[in-house]
Amino acid sequence: QKEVEQDPGPLSVPEGAIVSLNCTYSNSAFQYFMWYRQYSRKGPELLMYTYSSGNKEDGRFTAQVDKSSKYISLFIRDSQPSDSATYLCAMRKGYQKVTFGTGTKLQVIP
Amino acid sequence: DAGITQSPRHKVTETGTPVTLRCHQTENHRYMYWYRQDPGHGLRLIHYSYGVKDTDKGEVSDGYSVSRSKTEDFLLTLESATSSQTSVYFCAISSDTDNQPQHFGDGTRLSIL
Repeated sequence: QKEVEQDPGPLSVPEGAIVSLNCTYSNSAFQYFMWYRQYSRKGPELLMYTYSSGNKEDGRFTAQVDKSSKYISLFIRDSQPSDSATYLCAMRKGYQKVTFGTGTKLQVIP
Repeated sequence: DAGITQSPRHKVTETGTPVTLRCHQTENHRYMYWYRQDPGHGLRLIHYSYGVKDTDKGEVSDGYSVSRSKTEDFLLTLESATSSQTSVYFCAISSDTDNQPQHFGDGTRLSIL
């Protein structure tokens, strides 16, 4: 079993929809949680970076961490065709190496 | 955008040949990383560096070596390329301050025939 599980999708939604992307993990020691967006043939781009449990909002994006359930989410409000990309979750304990999910491919249909 | 440049962006080579990929950063960050990305596996750490001439292995280091002679440059070498090393390779950097996230370059697509 992988340390971090992420549904690969693809997930197709109409423009304007609220998107929910999720990851589950098994290592309760993870403290730092990240979401990256990756466009085709580009590198991962950091979207959200959170520490421990709770919510963090940045524009149309909200990251949520539930450490008791070992579950993290990324919500995208008013989704746009430009949000079509692969979304990677990532997490880390302290200074140790980052563990990445395999990514969820999102397509927003105009 | 983080100042990270990877070169070459694309390369096709033959089995058994040596290959060197370069990562150059303009951020003066202490930490540099090499990952490979393959379908179904996500990003896997090959090697990383925590300073000039200071490097360590990641989870998939067999068949790869690295060098860092200057803060801004981190080289990844495949001494004798194999078809299993066909992948997309990403360089990442992070700063010296506490627990900062990594920022990635745009990758090198390497095909080994």
